[in-house]
Amino acid sequence: DTGVSQDPRHKITKRGQNVTFRCDPISEHNRLYWYRQTLGQGPEFLTYFQNEAQLEKSRLLSDRFSAERPKGSFSTLEIQRTEQGDSAMYLCASSSLRFENTEAFFGQGTRLTVV
Amino acid sequence: RKEVEQDPGPFNVPEGATVAFNCTYSNSASQSFFWYRQDCRKEPKLLMSVYSSGNEDGRFTAQLNRASQYISLLIRDSKLSDSATYLCVLIMDTGRRALTFGSGTRLQVQP
Repeated sequence: DTGVSQDPRHKITKRGQNVTFRCDPISEHNRLYWYRQTLGQGPEFLTYFQNEAQLEKSRLLSDRFSAERPKGSFSTLEIQRTEQGDSAMYLCASSSLRFENTEAFFGQGTRLTVV
Repeated sequence: RKEVEQDPGPFNVPEGATVAFNCTYSNSASQSFFWYRQDCRKEPKLLMSVYSSGNEDGRFTAQLNRASQYISLLIRDSKLSDSATYLCVLIMDTGRRALTFGSGTRLQVQP
């Protein structure tokens, strides 16, 4: 499977715990994005990497959230001290830098439930 | 005001009907436009890009009106399999390369 891969697919955690999600983009894609989606809403932008550089972070991304892409390949999104409001689908997407405005491919997401 | 606004629907249409969705955007610096499709509990997938001159892909036609800042999607001869949420998406010409999504319009095609 050469698509975007996310792990885990589902995560249930207790409030206050830390969680980490992983995204493996399509191998030749330089751009990597994290989005959050709640029921009935479109995906909300969280952060964006070009290779290993984190070029943009949304104001939605509080200091409890941190993302890395250390070698310009896979990325991790960590949420510290989770809150019930963090419950959502976390989507990762990747696209190629080679051509402008090319399609972004999404992974199947990690569904987080904070109890 | 949201950057991208869509009517959430749902649009309930019979098979074979023609249905149209509009989407308005607030930032005139928006550069590129797309329609994505999202099935229930699945990830979004690109349906089609939207070009300034308008473009067609089979039963789907997309149009862009920069002066009025809206894009549209027309689906002809609706199929049951067209039932999904259609997301209006843009990229702003502000250095941000991330996709900005609308909340989506839900379409339900009925037999």
